[in-house]
Amino acid sequence: DSGVTQTPKHLITATGQRVTLRCSPRSGDLSVYWYQQSLDQGLQFLIQYYNGEERAKGNILERFSAQQFPDLHSELNLSSLELGDSALYFCASSFQTGLDTQYFGPGTRLTVL
Amino acid sequence: KNEVEQSPQNLTAQEGEFITINCSYSVGISALHWLQQHPGGGIVSLFMLSSGKKKHGRLIATINIQEKHSSLHITASHPRDSAVYICAVYTSGTYKYIFGTGTRLKVLA
Repeated sequence: DSGVTQTPKHLITATGQRVTLRCSPRSGDLSVYWYQQSLDQGLQFLIQYYNGEERAKGNILERFSAQQFPDLHSELNLSSLELGDSALYFCASSFQTGLDTQYFGPGTRLTVL
Repeated sequence: KNEVEQSPQNLTAQEGEFITINCSYSVGISALHWLQQHPGGGIVSLFMLSSGKKKHGRLIATINIQEKHSSLHITASHPRDSAVYICAVYTSGTYKYIFGTGTRLKVLA
């Protein structure tokens, strides 16, 4: 158990809908990272938050947004969903920066029908 | 050409064999991570390297910053080592992660 929790584990929805994925980092970790893993593109970095502020942005679509709250949990919002958004979404946390070990959550499997 | 390349893509070994997985990158980095993804999907961070060599149990990771290359070695491989091993670089300046496509390892008893 990494100490990182993600909810829900599975999500099935329809095209055009909006969903919210939630992540609670390990106790004491200030950074949260979001990743997408699809069959055709492998793991991709979406975004990082550090202590409530956006720190780095990767290949995150404009239809996607994220935030980190004062209690350090984070949410990833995906809107106007398309079939191609079906993927595993992982959250990870680390103490501070990318130079620290990351601890991964179990992932949320999103299926868009 | 991908900014992070791993080889081989697939690897089958007999139990007890010495295994090497390679990762080459073409961008400036602050660190390189090796991750293990289990068949069930869970991801575990094995190493974070910015220079030299690290060892944990039967796993050894090395990095050569000048040659932009890292290797992950598994000594005395065991069937429980069967997993996908992923190399990820943390880019300098932009603080982004770029992942390799992974090496699927199967160790036969």
